[in-house]
Amino acid sequence: NAGVTQTPKFQVLKTGQSMTLQCAQDMNHEYMSWYRQDPGMGLRLIHYSVGAGITDQGEVPNGYNVSRSTTEDFPLRLLSAAPSQTSVYFCASSYMDSYNEQFFGPGTRLTVL
Amino acid sequence: LAKTTQPISMDSYEGQEVNITCSHNNIATNDYITWYQQFPSQGPRFIIQGYKTKVTNEVASLFIPADRKSSTLSLPRVSLSDTAVYYCLVGDRPGAGSYQLTFGKGTKLSVIP
Repeated sequence: NAGVTQTPKFQVLKTGQSMTLQCAQDMNHEYMSWYRQDPGMGLRLIHYSVGAGITDQGEVPNGYNVSRSTTEDFPLRLLSAAPSQTSVYFCASSYMDSYNEQFFGPGTRLTVL
Repeated sequence: LAKTTQPISMDSYEGQEVNITCSHNNIATNDYITWYQQFPSQGPRFIIQGYKTKVTNEVASLFIPADRKSSTLSLPRVSLSDTAVYYCLVGDRPGAGSYQLTFGKGTKLSVIP
């Protein structure tokens, strides 16, 4: 199993540009989530999904959209990038009955100029 | 979501046992206590989870007193490879509640040769 994969690993955007961070998992997990991590900070939840077709907001959802059309994929869209969105983004997944035990991807380091 | 408090940093020599204590005074009846480990430039990794008393696995032990207002992660005989940030999380029992994990700033453990 590849586990949780994220692409790209690195990305530089200009203010106002849009892009999609990809996340996929091959463990048939129902639960998927997106976090951002800023220097010296813990992870903050952006959006999460408890199954295909179902998404909900986390702690810091503004400026981000998500969709969950399949069990495997959970892309994160930045609609109009801002410097404040410069961060490392992690995707995670788990079974619904053990969502406290999440498997994390390797992260995407995003810089917005 | 219960708030957690843990030391910002700790140092330890190789071969010693390390105990990291987390305070969670407002823990709810349904809450579980979960610990994650994060190496630099990687996503967090689940270490251990418990509800009360003591839980042990191949990586660590988790001690939870009867009042559950704190918990202690114990790492036996640490090595340089245990240098990482350790996060204590408190969240609803699997399969219920808000389905949101809240990461604090964690404890940065530095293992010294």
